[in-house]
Amino acid sequence: QKEVEQNSGPLSVPEGAIASLNCTYSDRGSQSFFWYRQYSGKSPELIMFIYSNGDKEDGRFTAQLNKASQYVSLLIRDSQPSDSATYLCAVDGGGSYIPTFGRGTSLIVHP
Amino acid sequence: DTAVSQTPKYLVTQMGNDKSIKCEQNLGHDTMYWYKQDSKKFLKIMFSYNNKELIINETVPNRFSPKSPDKAHLNLHINSLELGDSAVYFCASSQEGAYEQYFGPGTRLTVT
Repeated sequence: QKEVEQNSGPLSVPEGAIASLNCTYSDRGSQSFFWYRQYSGKSPELIMFIYSNGDKEDGRFTAQLNKASQYVSLLIRDSQPSDSATYLCAVDGGGSYIPTFGRGTSLIVHP
Repeated sequence: DTAVSQTPKYLVTQMGNDKSIKCEQNLGHDTMYWYKQDSKKFLKIMFSYNNKELIINETVPNRFSPKSPDKAHLNLHINSLELGDSAVYFCASSQEGAYEQYFGPGTRLTVT
């Protein structure tokens, strides 16, 4: 059974700091990795995706992928209180286009 | 210009009732999904459907059934509601073969 593991948190960081969110996955055949942000009471919103080993940057967000270690992370630079949300890691089904979601990490950015 | 919409937003009903949740997307996507998010925020796939294939998560009780009148709509029908069905249900869509999904606002179902 495909598994995606995340620390549930909460991860608390001060405003302006770098928040680091981590995710591990079990299926070595997975090729696509996603980060969704979910504010309380709202729906998940795709913020980053990465397919290749290494780093992918988009504004204040950087996704990092290490397929050998089966590890994907999300870095948020200059964290803002508005970044406070649950971040869901999702991994493709290794040939199936139905992703498996982790349980999410709650991030709190305090002023 | 809502991309993925769901109705109703809130649904309160009694055990044993039958209810439906509607979903519509105007993104031109080929594939639609239903997810259940429980009180611990775990997002679990229930169904994936396009005009070729229905994929059912084997853990979903057969009281749940998706109905698609056309590729822009995927409704969720639930028979004989149980207390454990209380959750937030999200509809989502994607291009066929793509992994990026776009979610609707969710329907909070409460079974009393």
